[in-house]
Amino acid sequence: QQQVKQSPQSLIVQKGGISIINCAYENTAFDYFPWYQQFPGKGPALLIAIRPDVSEKKEGRFTISFNKSAKQFSLHIMDSQPGDSATYFCAANPGSARQLTFGSGTQLTVLP
Amino acid sequence: GAVVSQHPSRVICKSGTSVKIECRSLDFQATTMFWYRQFPKKSLMLMATSNEGSKATYEQGVEKDKFLINHASLTLSTLTVTSAHPEDSSFYICSARDAGKGTYEQYFGPGTRLTVT
Repeated sequence: QQQVKQSPQSLIVQKGGISIINCAYENTAFDYFPWYQQFPGKGPALLIAIRPDVSEKKEGRFTISFNKSAKQFSLHIMDSQPGDSATYFCAANPGSARQLTFGSGTQLTVLP
Repeated sequence: GAVVSQHPSRVICKSGTSVKIECRSLDFQATTMFWYRQFPKKSLMLMATSNEGSKATYEQGVEKDKFLINHASLTLSTLTVTSAHPEDSSFYICSARDAGKGTYEQYFGPGTRLTVT
């Protein structure tokens, strides 16, 4: 019940295309859903996050879509660029005092 | 803002020795810090949660006598890998929460690559 399932494991997109990564969860106590971007040999960096009281949040080229009834959320990267090539992790948190539960990660490659 | 540093970034040690990794929140106070371990092409595995002034809470399967965690101040937590062995070689990452904001955001350090020979 604590798991967050992430797909796909890897994704190849042409420059300018849309990258879509999906996550699903079971624990209805989760109330904070961040996405992290990680480059090789670096720590994860918070990209964007959403709370379940909204269905969508957009920051620049990055958008989170959240479906509470389906217990799914996704990251959309518009106009994908080669510099976006990285590993992306979704995560969920059941409260501010608790630790994050991470998805398994998606390795995104954006071809020039 | 919200910068977390780790030191060292890379360390190579001989089997049987101990290694200390520092995690600092540079521009905020962190009542809670987390330590993760990451294997190549894998997700982050939480090792322990560290609260300032109290004992760390370890995840199941993590040896607390091997991975000593100290959170002596609101800006510093340390992870000491005692009697390191080659199987302890990994990428160790810390994260911290900004106590002042009372929000959910966790900020991650750049990681420490430990190689035990």
